[in-house]
Amino acid sequence: DAGITQSPRHKVTETGTPVTLRCHQTENHRYMYWYRQDPGHGLRLIHYSYGVKDTDKGEVSDGYSVSRSKTEDFLLTLESATSSQTSVYFCAISTPRRGFEQFFGPGTRLTVL
Amino acid sequence: DAKTTQPTSMDCAEGRAANLPCNHSTISGNEYVYWYRQIHSQGPQYIIHGLKNNETNEMASLIITEDRKSSTLILPHATLRDTAVYYCIVRLLVQGAQKLVFGQGTRLTINP
Repeated sequence: DAGITQSPRHKVTETGTPVTLRCHQTENHRYMYWYRQDPGHGLRLIHYSYGVKDTDKGEVSDGYSVSRSKTEDFLLTLESATSSQTSVYFCAISTPRRGFEQFFGPGTRLTVL
Repeated sequence: DAKTTQPTSMDCAEGRAANLPCNHSTISGNEYVYWYRQIHSQGPQYIIHGLKNNETNEMASLIITEDRKSSTLILPHATLRDTAVYYCIVRLLVQGAQKLVFGQGTRLTINP
């Protein structure tokens, strides 16, 4: 398995609370991604990073921000969580050497009450 | 990215070949066909990809029709652990970040 961990794995929070999810990799891969997965939808890209301090928006970026200060860590922040952000969040990584393949983390289940 | 159409669900007996179809009639000449799968509650897992030729690896085979408008993922000897949602994705292989678009996929159930 690619060395990707996500923390926390489960979180319950209240509406209006800030939340930060962490993705950590040990593969030194250049590209990192955050997806969300909801019933009735496939995975949807939130934000991605193509290097330290280099990030860009994905398909569903509203209400989310990201930061990447080190190669190994990619943080996803919900500044003020809403119930519509209840979801399972997956982090992924890829490398230019194998650009066709993304390696996914185990996921974080977030519930916003 | 080209749109893909997959059956919502399929069943297959353990030990038999599982053949998962995908239609991508609007695929352009330089778009690849990717397959990923997602076993319950886990992150998706890359299986295989191809452009024009048939491809085989240790997990599966990918058969792409000559006109490239459809493809079939073949799991040659399905096991219970192959029960998962299988996603067919069509997109360019670009330099840089690969922004995958996942549809609904096919829920494959392997029966004992």
